[in-house]
Amino acid sequence: AQKITQTQPGMFVQEKEAVTLDCTYDTSDQSYGLFWYKQPSSGEMIFLIYQGSYDEQNATEGRYSLNFQKARKSANLVISASQLGDSAMYFCAMRHYGQNFVFGPGTRLSVLP
Amino acid sequence: DGGITQSPKYLFRKEGQNVTLSCEQNLNHDAMYWYRQDPGQGLRLIYYSQIVNDFQKGDIAEGYSVSREKKESFPLTVTSAQKNPTAFYLCASSEETEWGAAISYEQYFGPGTRLTVT
Repeated sequence: AQKITQTQPGMFVQEKEAVTLDCTYDTSDQSYGLFWYKQPSSGEMIFLIYQGSYDEQNATEGRYSLNFQKARKSANLVISASQLGDSAMYFCAMRHYGQNFVFGPGTRLSVLP
Repeated sequence: DGGITQSPKYLFRKEGQNVTLSCEQNLNHDAMYWYRQDPGQGLRLIYYSQIVNDFQKGDIAEGYSVSREKKESFPLTVTSAQKNPTAFYLCASSEETEWGAAISYEQYFGPGTRLTVT
């Protein structure tokens, strides 16, 4: 069964520093997509970044990058130069062809001034 | 601006009453979804719809019902049969040319409805 694990229930980072949020996944398929979403206290889910299983380069979107290690089945999110507005819940998600999204339990990130 | 709207933001109901949560999208997306989120937890899929007049149960469909009469609308009814209806409900949509043909399409989410049943 496909499953997403996020082992860090909560993380703290100092403003302007980088932080890595862990995500590991379980799948027997070779083709899949990996996503990261941010959920601020307002509740809305905001798409951050996508990585395809066959993408050779790690995905980057502004201050967000995805450290994709396929053999280890990990897709860690790296946020550089943290800002106070980055404080939120972060969810890792996975999708396979013909199937729905599977979300992890999330990591709560708190950015300290 | 294109997006997904959910109304109301907060909803209060007495136990035993059915309640309908609204979800409207103007993104012209074929697929729509309903998720439930409990405090400190991830998202669990309730129902999803790939096309008008068709929908399928997700992982936790018991006590819920949906309809998809229009492409842009996917209302969720929380029935009195739902044992623990108090939760945060999120509606989402995604672009699907055919089901699962592209795994790169992200889901777009609405602002959510927080339902409290007492």
